[in-house]
Amino acid sequence: DTAVSQTPKYLVTQMGNDKSIKCEQNLGHDTMYWYKQDSKKFLKIMFSYNNKELIINETVPNRFSPKSPDKAHLNLHINSLELGDSAVYFCASSQSGLAGDEQFFGPGTRLTVL
Amino acid sequence: LAKTTQPISMDSYEGQEVNITCSHNNIATNDYITWYQQFPSQGPRFIIQGYKTKVTNEVASLFIPADRKSSTLSLPRVSLSDTAVYYCLVGDMYTPLVFGKGTRLSVIA
Repeated sequence: DTAVSQTPKYLVTQMGNDKSIKCEQNLGHDTMYWYKQDSKKFLKIMFSYNNKELIINETVPNRFSPKSPDKAHLNLHINSLELGDSAVYFCASSQSGLAGDEQFFGPGTRLTVL
Repeated sequence: LAKTTQPISMDSYEGQEVNITCSHNNIATNDYITWYQQFPSQGPRFIIQGYKTKVTNEVASLFIPADRKSSTLSLPRVSLSDTAVYYCLVGDMYTPLVFGKGTRLSVIA
């Protein structure tokens, strides 16, 4: 059973397009996260949702908008894609809203903007 | 947020014990020390977390001296499948995780 799943695994698109990445967790966790791992391999948090409510919103362009239809899903919409958005995006979840709690990561979505 | 310093890379032969040390001189009283492992093309995976002294689980041990200014992740008898990047993170339970470059461990047959 896949605990945290993401779709698609790879996403190649042109600058200016709008795209979405979906994330689902079947662990019954209350909190979900989106991370971005850039070409230098730094992995940094973007958003955190607890029970469908936004609790962390790091300095991220407002072209990025998370949407949580229920606590098992946290989707990431990106508008007007730019070259610098190319990265691997990871979804994660944890039982509580404590960032220090064990987090379970998905397999990642490699986004390439041409 | 406590800054961490760890070696960029390490090599080891199969069957050896590997110790990866992380320095965190400005660790705060409420900070925990957490280690994650990341295989190529996968998301990070939680390994172990501790506050002081020693913590052991089925995967690794974490040694934390009394001053807590450093910590050592110990992997017993590594195998080829332990080849990965290992991240040391320091923060309180409310601080969002920030992953640095980690230590790239290469296990050689």
